[in-house]
Amino acid sequence: DVKVTQSSRYLVKRTGEKVFLECVQDMDHENMFWYRQDPGLGLRLIYFSYDVKMKEKGDIPEGYSVSREKKERFSLILESASTNQTSMYLCASESGTGLAYEQYFGPGTRLTVT
Amino acid sequence: QKEVEQNSGPLSVPEGAIASLNCTYSDRGSQSFFWYRQYSGKSPELIMSIYSNGDKEDGRFTAQLNKASQYVSLLIRDSQPSDSATYLCAVPPRSNDYKLSFGAGTTVTVRA
Repeated sequence: DVKVTQSSRYLVKRTGEKVFLECVQDMDHENMFWYRQDPGLGLRLIYFSYDVKMKEKGDIPEGYSVSREKKERFSLILESASTNQTSMYLCASESGTGLAYEQYFGPGTRLTVT
Repeated sequence: QKEVEQNSGPLSVPEGAIASLNCTYSDRGSQSFFWYRQYSGKSPELIMSIYSNGDKEDGRFTAQLNKASQYVSLLIRDSQPSDSATYLCAVPPRSNDYKLSFGAGTTVTVRA
């Protein structure tokens, strides 16, 4: 079974703090994704990575950056947290066969910025 | 036009009935289609994938794909209270893309 883990289930941070969310997958998947999910707005793609050190912006990258130094690990960084970044953050990985394929999600991190 | 649209719901069905969920997509060249189930407070879980026209059955779930009409549906037969969840349809936004666009979801409640 694919296993995707995220570093925290719940996180509370203060405005202006730098926040790191970490995601690890154990299936040697090529592609990894960071989404945020908000009521009424659905799942929105922040960033994705198709290889180590390779990344592409998704639909809402502003205020975020990412890092992928190892294949199994994909980190989302909030450079200076703001209250409008309070959300559920979901990481996913996918085998990367060339076409869009099955994505497997981690348990999510519910981030509150006060 | 949104890339992926789902019937808005919520959908309430009695236990044992068939729940029917619909999804339309905008890119005629899309090749892969997915249904995810998401329980309240949990992350999405992949339940079905379909790549060819026609029906694909897995237990009580059947996915139906019609590329000519650009829709994909999910049928849940013999609905159980444990099927109460939000169901998300996901399709690549462009035919050569490896990203997915997700629909807003349809919330299903199965009444005991």
